[in-house]
Amino acid sequence: AQSVTQLDSQVPVFEEAPVELRCNYSSSVSVYLFWYVQYPNQGLQLLLKYLSGSTLVKGINGFEAEFNKSQTSFHLRKPSVHISDTAEYFCAVSDRNFNKFYFGSGTKLNVKP
Amino acid sequence: DVKVTQSSRYLVKRTGEKVFLECVQDMDHENMFWYRQDPGLGLRLIYFSYDVKMKEKGDIPEGYSVSREKKERFSLILESASTNQTSMYLCASSPPQMNTEAFFGQGTRLTVV
Repeated sequence: AQSVTQLDSQVPVFEEAPVELRCNYSSSVSVYLFWYVQYPNQGLQLLLKYLSGSTLVKGINGFEAEFNKSQTSFHLRKPSVHISDTAEYFCAVSDRNFNKFYFGSGTKLNVKP
Repeated sequence: DVKVTQSSRYLVKRTGEKVFLECVQDMDHENMFWYRQDPGLGLRLIYFSYDVKMKEKGDIPEGYSVSREKKERFSLILESASTNQTSMYLCASSPPQMNTEAFFGQGTRLTVV
């Protein structure tokens, strides 16, 4: 079975500062990894995904994430955040045996002016 | 663009009522999912379906059932609503290929009084 741990439930940060949202996963099989963003009262929107190949993945809105197999991590980063990045971010994995998705508990990013 | 449509954004129901949450996708996806989202718990899988009339239990199926009579439609049924089922419900769909993401609807916020 897969599980996903997001280590920070809330991350406050000032506008234009860098941010890292942490995600660790456990799995007995190879996985695909995803980051989603959820704005208030909305569904989830895909930010980026790691399937294979380069461990550094670039997504929308200037976000990127790095897959680290040895540390089973997939941390999300942005070098300079904007007020509009205020949202909840979810890390997810899907296993290669069946396309089910497992989500972390979410990290609320609060960007302050 | 993939569109996943949930029939209601907000619902208020009484304890003991039978509740139907409807979800329709327009991309001919084989897989469909129902998640429940609660603060601090992330998204938890209730049921998923990988084909018409095929379903499997997720992590928290108790108190719920599902129906998939047509490929594009996946319904979540609360047989007898209870106050602890007050939550945000998210529907998602995905193709059967393993290396693809899930696409989400806007969510239904259900309040059981």
